Formats: sequence, structure tokens, C-alpha cells
Amino acid sequence: GDSVTQMEGPVTLSEEAFLTINCTYTATGYPSLFWYVQYPGEGLQLLLKATKADDKGSNKGFEATYRKETTSFHLEKGSVQVSDSAVYFCAQWALDSNYQLIWGAGTKLIIKP
Amino acid sequence: EAGVAQSPRYKIIEKRQSVAFWCNPISGHATLYWYQQILGQGPKLLIQFQNNGVVDDSQLPKDRFSAERLKGVDSTLKIQPAKLEDSAVYLCASSSLWRTTSGANVLTFGAGSRLTVL
Repeated sequence: GDSVTQMEGPVTLSEEAFLTINCTYTATGYPSLFWYVQYPGEGLQLLLKATKADDKGSNKGFEATYRKETTSFHLEKGSVQVSDSAVYFCAQWALDSNYQLIWGAGTKLIIKP
Repeated sequence: EAGVAQSPRYKIIEKRQSVAFWCNPISGHATLYWYQQILGQGPKLLIQFQNNGVVDDSQLPKDRFSAERLKGVDSTLKIQPAKLEDSAVYLCASSSLWRTTSGANVLTFGAGSRLTVL
């Protein structure tokens, strides 16, 4: 069935380091892909999205490119800040999922000053 | 625009007691979701409403969980009786679209209600 797999956390980086959080998916067809972020004590909020192959979603310095050949949607940021510390979730609208979002398990990111 | 409102933010109860969570979605959003998020895991869909009708409740433990969305606006999720494994954050989300996997279908989440069952 459809699924989303994220790299396990926590990921601990120093401020200004380069960030990559891996996300791969299995799906029928070409689903829309999303990154949501959950800051401590808050609900999830959309960070970025991509709806077709080779699309690049970007927001707040974060980027992710929809790669159909590798079925991946890795999240990247060139220089992280302490305020980026949060849990990041990759998700897809699967075409045969009865209109449910399929979620990854989340990756906790810790940025040290 | 106002966000998705949820209450209470925190609740601690003994096992076998009951609890209710309330959600007010974004105005005009016809689709409402309740998710359960256990620590360290992704959200798990419990129930989805389209206006005041249930679209999907296949993962709702119906022997103890119930939910309603009267008048197609506010929603209440109830647990009775609670078990230890129900300790989680209960997230409410809403969206303006329905039955589409389009990238335009973006969920807006509330801050969640954290339940601790002792």
C-alpha cells in the first residue's frame, strides 16, 4: 500500500549547518507531496508542497524537490537556525487512499547554538 | 483569518473516566478531521466529516470513541471509557476542499488537546 518513510531522528545540528531530512514514498501514480512542521506545543502547519514531478516547493529557506525517478521529496535548508528546532513530517495525498493523507513518522530536528 | 480552535489544551484523567474535546474549524471549511498523535509517531486519522456527515471513520475505535459535528461547524470527540493507551495529542484539522488529492487540498491544524490517562 501507499506509504511514506522518513529518516529517523533526532537530527542534531549546530546553527548555520546544512540540513537534509530524507523522505521517500511509495504510491500509485504521482501524488501531491507535503512537508508539515510541528513546533513545540503547537499543531502541525504546512511548510511546503509540490504537486508534480520536478516541482520544487520552498518556504522560509527550506526547499524540497519532487523526484519521481527516486520517489523522494527530501527537505533541505542551507543554514539552519535555533528557531528551526521542531518535528518535520513528510506526507502524501495518495490516489487510492480513500482521500487520506499518508504521513511519515516525523523527524525531530534539534539545532544547537 | 482565525485558525482552528481546540479545547481543552490539556486534560488528565483516570482510566475508565470519560473526556470530550471540542473543535471549531476555520469558517467556511466543510471538511473536518480528527487525528490521534501518539508521542513519536505521525498523526493517525480517526474520523473525517464532510459538513455534518461522516466520510470515513474506519480507524475510530467505536466501542469507546464517538464524534459528532452538529450543524456542520463545531465538532466534539468523546472517549468513554478511557484507557491508558489513549494518552496522546488529539488534533483537529479542517480544509476547504473535499475528496481531492490535489496539492491545493491543504489541512489547517489546531494546536491540539493533550490527553494523559493515569
